[in-house]
Amino acid sequence: GQNIDQPTEMTATEGAIVQINCTYQTSGFNGLFWYQQHAGEAPTFLSYNVLDGLEEKGRFSSFLSRSKGYSYLLLKELQMKDSASYLCAVRDGNYQLIWGAGTKLIIKP
Amino acid sequence: ETGVTQTPRHLVMGMTNKKSLKCEQHLGHNAMYWYKQSAKKPLELMFVYNFKEQTENNSVPSRFSPECPNSSHLFLHLHTLQPEDSALYLCASSQDGGATDTQYFGPGTRLTVL
Repeated sequence: GQNIDQPTEMTATEGAIVQINCTYQTSGFNGLFWYQQHAGEAPTFLSYNVLDGLEEKGRFSSFLSRSKGYSYLLLKELQMKDSASYLCAVRDGNYQLIWGAGTKLIIKP
Repeated sequence: ETGVTQTPRHLVMGMTNKKSLKCEQHLGHNAMYWYKQSAKKPLELMFVYNFKEQTENNSVPSRFSPECPNSSHLFLHLHTLQPEDSALYLCASSQDGGATDTQYFGPGTRLTVL
């Protein structure tokens, strides 16, 4: 079967750096997405990786290794507003989006 | 982000009621989606419409009935629901459902079935 694994919950300190990992086993691969979802709000698009390597967007970066079935989202200079759930999703060989259950990130002062 | 709107934001209904959820996108997209989000579970894709045609129905019970009158509007008609149907129902849209498509979500309807 197809599977996306990410930690259920993580805690980090304001101003620090946190890395949220995502591993996947899918039938084929056509890209990996990261979304941010604040409680009670819509998931919002953060990043898309289809080639190996690091994509940087301001304080957020996303990394992909297709050979390892692995991605991470790196958040720098953490702010309280970064407290949210982070969803990893993979587009498989049939172009279907397979979703992880999300990682709840708690930022402490 | 107000590109995708959903109404109502909250809904409480009994098992014998009939209600409808509405989604509207202002992004000029051609594909629209209904998802179910339950606590600590992955998003479950329910239905997909592409250019107003239903292209996906992921074994969803018939008590959920979608309707897509045009590319901008999507409805989810609900009837004789069960308590386990209580969840956040999210609508999303994307350009055309293609390989590099990115989905944009509405804020969801929090549904409680009593």
